[in-house]
Amino acid sequence: EAGVAQSPRYKIIEKRQSVAFWCNPISGHATLYWYQQILGQGPKLLIQFQNNGVVDDSQLPKDRFSAERLKGVDSTLKIQPAKLEDSAVYLCASSSLGLAVDEQYFGPGTRLTVT
Amino acid sequence: KQEVTQIPAALSVPEGENLVLNCSFTDSAIYNLQWFRQDPGKGLTSLLLIQSSQREQTSGRLNASLDKSSGRSTLYIAASQPGDSATYLCAVGGTGANNLFFGTGTRLTVIP
Repeated sequence: EAGVAQSPRYKIIEKRQSVAFWCNPISGHATLYWYQQILGQGPKLLIQFQNNGVVDDSQLPKDRFSAERLKGVDSTLKIQPAKLEDSAVYLCASSSLGLAVDEQYFGPGTRLTVT
Repeated sequence: KQEVTQIPAALSVPEGENLVLNCSFTDSAIYNLQWFRQDPGKGLTSLLLIQSSQREQTSGRLNASLDKSSGRSTLYIAASQPGDSATYLCAVGGTGANNLFFGTGTRLTVIP
């Protein structure tokens, strides 16, 4: 069974530029998560999708971050414009039903450096 | 708001030693607790998942325990190997939306 796929793996941009990340969850998984992991910290949830609907985006900085999962499968996370403090690893995860007892499976992450 | 703490932040042990990593959380109303391993520049690999009704889970040389009432979990690694060197993250599944609250991790180095 293929795992969670993410691309690109690395991205370097200048501040005020825009960037987009892509995630393809495990086939059949209804729930998709985006996490931000700043160096030396644990991951922090940015947004959670159940199929193509948003369940929780309370910690997403909506003035600059946006995310979509139009067909309920893959997802994109966009930052526009980027700030220096957005430098982090962006992790995508998926779970089968999105129930509280479900295990989450993580992708390899995209490491973003903003200069 | 749930807060998860992991102690120690870093740990170095000689190969072959048994070791314990600690995780504590402030809100005992949890659904589950998950231990992850993260290698440098990589994503998270799930090691063990303990549901709130369980007290421990075992996988090979790993054993995780959960004490909800005291807000604690431990990850026990037996006969450590250099390949165990990584950062270990504890994450708590809260009530409500199915998201995880992570600790800051313990960076383990096993010295050959």
